Amino acid sequence: GNSVTQMEGPVTLSEEAFLTINCTYTATGYPSLFWYVQYPGEGLQLLLKATKADDKGSNKGFEATYRKETTSFHLEKGSVQVSDSAVYFCALSDAGGTSYGKLTFGQGTILTVHP
Amino acid sequence: ETGVTQTPRHLVMGMTNKKSLKCEQHLGHNAMYWYKQSAKKPLELMFVYSLEERVENNSVPSRFSPECPNSSHLFLHLHTLQPEDSALYLCASSLQDSPLHFGNGTRLTVT
Repeated sequence: GNSVTQMEGPVTLSEEAFLTINCTYTATGYPSLFWYVQYPGEGLQLLLKATKADDKGSNKGFEATYRKETTSFHLEKGSVQVSDSAVYFCALSDAGGTSYGKLTFGQGTILTVHP
Repeated sequence: ETGVTQTPRHLVMGMTNKKSLKCEQHLGHNAMYWYKQSAKKPLELMFVYSLEERVENNSVPSRFSPECPNSSHLFLHLHTLQPEDSALYLCASSLQDSPLHFGNGTRLTVT
């Protein structure tokens, strides 16, 4: 079956530091890949996505590239802010699925950014 | 405002109680979902409704009973729950082949 593995947190950084959160996946076929973010007390929000190999998703300064050869989708940001403190989830959808709703999630990585 | 509204935000219930969680979306989506978020575990997909028809039930115990009366509303009826059912229950909606929009969740505590 499908699975997603994220680096274990929590991750603690100072403001303006570089961020990498690793994500690798196991899936058959060609899944779509996502990063969702969950701010305290809220539900998940889509941060970025990539639907095919070598695609780069980007939003709010965050980027992730779909690497089929390494089955990875690592999240990066060049300079984090305190407001980026949240839980980040990597996820994939079934290849050829008719709905992105059938997502397989990683366990989440807590990011805390200090001033 | 996410477009997906869940009520209540917090719920405490005893093991013998019956309660319901409500989810409402006004995004024009045609699929709705219930997810369970427990501490230190990946999100678990519980139920999927597409065009008001249940299309997936991921081996969820019968003490959880979903209901989707129309494409804008989704309920999760709860009865005789166990303490291990305490979690954040997230509702989401989508159009076919589009990303999910999540609500802010209901934090459920079973005592």
